[in-house]
Amino acid sequence: SQKIEQNSEALNIQEGKTATLTCNYTNYSPAYLQWYRQDPGRGPVFLLLIRENEKEKRKERLKVTFDTTLKQSLFHITASQPADSATYLCALNRPLFSGGYNKLIFGAGTRLAVHP
Amino acid sequence: SQTIHQWPATLVQPVGSPLSLECTVEGTSNPNLYWYRQAAGRGLQLLFYSVGIGQISSEVPQNLSASRPQDRQFILSSKKLLLSDSGFYLCACQEGEVQPQHFGDGTRLSIL
Repeated sequence: SQKIEQNSEALNIQEGKTATLTCNYTNYSPAYLQWYRQDPGRGPVFLLLIRENEKEKRKERLKVTFDTTLKQSLFHITASQPADSATYLCALNRPLFSGGYNKLIFGAGTRLAVHP
Repeated sequence: SQTIHQWPATLVQPVGSPLSLECTVEGTSNPNLYWYRQAAGRGLQLLFYSVGIGQISSEVPQNLSASRPQDRQFILSSKKLLLSDSGFYLCACQEGEVQPQHFGDGTRLSIL
């Protein structure tokens, strides 16, 4: 079955630096991959979606890459700010041939702490 | 855009008591609806999903059930809660394929 690996250790960086978070998967390549932000005690908030035929997607200070050969997605936050501190979740869709209906598999997330 | 309402925000229940968590959605019609449970430091575990009124699919065998009595209402229930039912329960909606999921702010359920 599909497994998603995100670094369970918190990532601590200095304000203004670029944060890079990793999402690795082990089995089939998903048709698309999504990144979410989750603050403590809140539901996840969607950030970016990237399809299997896209190498890179950007939105303001955020950038996502998707490498189906490496089975990996990288999530970058440039010019990071303390307000970017949160847990970031990676999610992959299940392929339709499994009988699933547009379901997502979520990683456990990586906690990012940006220090002033 | 969609807004997902979940209540209550926190709930403390004794073992063996019943449960009813409600989720309502605004700003969309005929969405796919999902119930997830999130344990501390863990990923979201999909419990149930629904593609329409009265249509419920269960992902894992468990002590819980779900119902969708109206297009934008999704209910998570249990007749008798177990200690293992503790967790953070999240409702989500999605408008179609290759679309993001939008989440409510969850219910923190503690079983004593």
